[in-house]
Amino acid sequence: QQQVKQSPQSLIVQKGGISIINCAYENTAFDYFPWYQQFPGKGPALLIAIRPDVSEKKEGRFTISFNKSAKQFSLHIMDSQPGDSATYFCAASDNYGQNFVFGPGTRLSVLP
Amino acid sequence: EAGVAQSPRYKIIEKRQSVAFWCNPISGHATLYWYQQILGQGPKLLIQFQNNGVVDDSQLPKDRFSAERLKGVDSTLKIQPAKLEDSAVYLCASSLFAGIEAFFGQGTRLTVV
Repeated sequence: QQQVKQSPQSLIVQKGGISIINCAYENTAFDYFPWYQQFPGKGPALLIAIRPDVSEKKEGRFTISFNKSAKQFSLHIMDSQPGDSATYFCAASDNYGQNFVFGPGTRLSVLP
Repeated sequence: EAGVAQSPRYKIIEKRQSVAFWCNPISGHATLYWYQQILGQGPKLLIQFQNNGVVDDSQLPKDRFSAERLKGVDSTLKIQPAKLEDSAVYLCASSLFAGIEAFFGQGTRLTVV
């Protein structure tokens, strides 16, 4: 199963700061790149997703930047809030909708 | 819109026992996934169904795990016999079709003692 690498493993940010999480992949057949947010005791919930035909997608305080040539994508959380404290997973699936794989996760803590 | 339903929420069994998990996906969703999430790790895909057919089960330990999706709606995941390392949260997810947003249930937390 193709992997997705994710960093950092954990991140501490002050309220109002910018949180940045990075992911990298190898499988060039991947063409769907979602980010999921997970709170303790809950299932992952989709935050934002991107496809390779665009380099950036913004939804509110959340932005995905995508670099197809480097096979990297990142999540930026602007004006981070304590309520954003959760574990974030990047994921990817291929153009057949298969190999839906997740990164190892980043535990974000936003300090008040 | 009702979400993905899973039961039970928690299960504690002894090693070598068997256990089954149930998932009811969002109505109309053709694609169903089962993931295993070990504490502190990302979800690991066990099996993917498209309607009632298996699309990918390459990561499913077939000597002890089995899954079915009869009639292309509900699904069950079974472990027999369970091992200590099977302790994890088992997540079910569904999507309208493969390659788009998948919605997750709350998961079943399995503890094998």
